Amino acid sequence: DAKTTQPTSMDCAEGRAANLPCNHSTISGNEYVYWYRQIHSQGPQYIIHGLKNNETNEMASLIITEDRKSSTLILPHATLRDTAVYYCIVRGTNFGNEKLTFGTGTRLTIIP
Amino acid sequence: GAGVSQTPSNKVTEKGKYVELRCDPISGHTALYWYRQSLGQGPEFLIYFQGTGAADDSGLPNDRFFAVRPEGSVSTLKIQRTERGDSAVYLCASSFNTIGPHTQYFGPGTRLTVL
Repeated sequence: DAKTTQPTSMDCAEGRAANLPCNHSTISGNEYVYWYRQIHSQGPQYIIHGLKNNETNEMASLIITEDRKSSTLILPHATLRDTAVYYCIVRGTNFGNEKLTFGTGTRLTIIP
Repeated sequence: GAGVSQTPSNKVTEKGKYVELRCDPISGHTALYWYRQSLGQGPEFLIYFQGTGAADDSGLPNDRFFAVRPEGSVSTLKIQRTERGDSAVYLCASSFNTIGPHTQYFGPGTRLTVL
């Protein structure tokens, strides 16, 4: 699976949009971009995933660049409960690619 | 419906002892995964099951670690002769299948402390 690079930490004011970047320059054609987050002392929580089109659900939006070498997770109106570590993960769909490979993620702190 | 559950939530044991950690996946999910998370790190893959069989156990650190899923639902991670370095949060996840862009859903984890 392709490696991802994320900033170690970010701050965002409550009520503002939080934009979390992720670089995955070695991504290959069949690899999806997944985002999970982990709130303190809880298990990782699935947020969203995408292949090449932008995606939106009730939690967030995922913007993937046309060359697919980077993506941005957008939390449109951040709340204090969004404070967590956010993981960007690239994973293929072929046999043998079932596991998720987590990095160290971005620690997002929402400031009141 | 209920999510992935794990028991116990916390386990404290002494070096050299044997421990079992249990995972109940989401009903109907055929795939089950175990991960381990050390302090300040992201989760690391240990093993995954498709049905009753271990399809990939490449992440198990050594032969003291073993996992079973005898009926294709509940799984138990077993650690023999525990060492202090085994202290971590053990996470379980399940997914409906492993075909295509399947989503893994995680449980709350079991925090294992080896004294």
